Amino acid sequence: AQSVTQLDSHVSVSEGTPVLLRCNYSSSYSPSLFWYVQHPNKGLQLLLKYTSAATLVKGINGFEAEFKKSETSFHLTKPSAHMSDAAEYFCVVNHFSGGYNKLIFGAGTRLAVHP
Amino acid sequence: DAGITQSPRYKITETGRQVTLMCHQTWSHSYMFWYRQDLGHGLRLIYYSAAADITDKGEVPDGYVVSRSKTENFPLTLESATRSQTSVYFCASSESPGDPYEQYFGPGTRLTVT
Repeated sequence: AQSVTQLDSHVSVSEGTPVLLRCNYSSSYSPSLFWYVQHPNKGLQLLLKYTSAATLVKGINGFEAEFKKSETSFHLTKPSAHMSDAAEYFCVVNHFSGGYNKLIFGAGTRLAVHP
Repeated sequence: DAGITQSPRYKITETGRQVTLMCHQTWSHSYMFWYRQDLGHGLRLIYYSAAADITDKGEVPDGYVVSRSKTENFPLTLESATRSQTSVYFCASSESPGDPYEQYFGPGTRLTVT
């Protein structure tokens, strides 16, 4: 069965420093993986998705993630944090079962950005 | 308005009352989903629907009922609300069942059961 584990529930960085949000996945087949972002009191927005093409995926707002099959990881990075990046981030894996696709969410990582 | 909308955005109700949360999308997406978001659990799937009149249970369906008589609407009903159903509820839609695909989320409904 597919699952995702986000290794940090909270990450705190200073503005202008790199961001690393870690995600490991478990999948019985080659997965599709996503990162979603949720700003306070808002819905979820897709940041980026991996779909078995290039292993380095670029998303919106300068974020990117690298799919590493050998490590079963899909970590999210950004070279320089901005105050507006403060939000909750969810790593998500696609699960195909019973003829339907469903998304399995990690527990989330809350990113705080300090001046 | 275009997109996916939810109503109400905030709701306070008492234990034992019936509550219906509404979800409406304007894209004519086939697939629609209901999730609940609780601290430490991320989002968990309650019910989903592949098309009008086709629904199925997700991970945490107990205490909830759904219907989908029209493609654009997917209401979620709590037949007899309990305090454990206090949560933020998100509706989502998707245009294709194929892999890969992404889901588009509504703004959420914050439900408090007292």
